[in-house]
Amino acid sequence: RKEVEQDPGPFNVPEGATVAFNCTYSNSASQSFFWYRQDCRKEPKLLMSVYSSGNEDGRFTAQLNRASQYISLLIRDSKLSDSATYLCVVNPNTGTASKLTFGTGTRLQVTL
Amino acid sequence: GAVVSQHPSWVICKSGTSVKIECRSLDFQATTMFWYRQFPKQSLMLMATSNEGSKATYEQGVEKDKFLINHASLTLSTLTVTSAHPEDSSFYICSAHRVGYTFGSGTRLTVV
Repeated sequence: RKEVEQDPGPFNVPEGATVAFNCTYSNSASQSFFWYRQDCRKEPKLLMSVYSSGNEDGRFTAQLNRASQYISLLIRDSKLSDSATYLCVVNPNTGTASKLTFGTGTRLQVTL
Repeated sequence: GAVVSQHPSWVICKSGTSVKIECRSLDFQATTMFWYRQFPKQSLMLMATSNEGSKATYEQGVEKDKFLINHASLTLSTLTVTSAHPEDSSFYICSAHRVGYTFGSGTRLTVV
C-alpha cells in the first residue's frame, strides 16, 4: 500500500463548480498534513496546511479525519487558474525538518 | 519569505557526463536540505537528506556514489549526477525547511 494515496484524476470541471479531492495515508503516527499545488513543470507550492479541526482559506477548505486517516480538499467556485495538480503531503513529525511524503497528485482541469 | 534558488532550471547533457545542480537558501540558513526526483506523472520521491557539515542520508535504492551530495555551507547544497544515463532524465527539486518547507524551482535534466 502506498504511504499516501490520491486519485490521479484528471477531474474536468466547469468554471464555478465545486470539486473535492480525497487522500488517504497509511502511517497513523503522522503529525502534520498539507495540500500543495504543482503547476506543469514547476515546483510544488504550499496551498494550505490541514488542521484537525478543519480549516478554510477563501475558496479552499481542508479537512482531516485522523481516525480514518483521510484528508480532503474542497474547492468552491472553481477558476480557470485553479487548473493544476494538487498534492497531498504528510509529515511524520511536527515542527522539525523531516521527510515529507507526497501523494502522486490529483490533476484538476477547470474549463470554460 | 524564505526563498530557495535552484540552478540550472534545465540542462541537456550527453550520456556519461556529470551534471551539478545547486540549491541556495537566499535569506535563511538551511541546516537541512531535501533532494527529490519526480518522473512524469509520478510523485516527488525523496532521494536524500543533505545535512550541513556531515554526510547525506540516502533513501533506499538511491545510489550514493552516483548522486553525490555536498552541503558545505548553511546556504548551499549541491547534487551531482555522475555518469548520467538517459534513465536519470527527470525533474530534480530541492527543499529546505524553515518553519515550513520551501522548494527550489526545480531542474529538468535530459540525458541524451
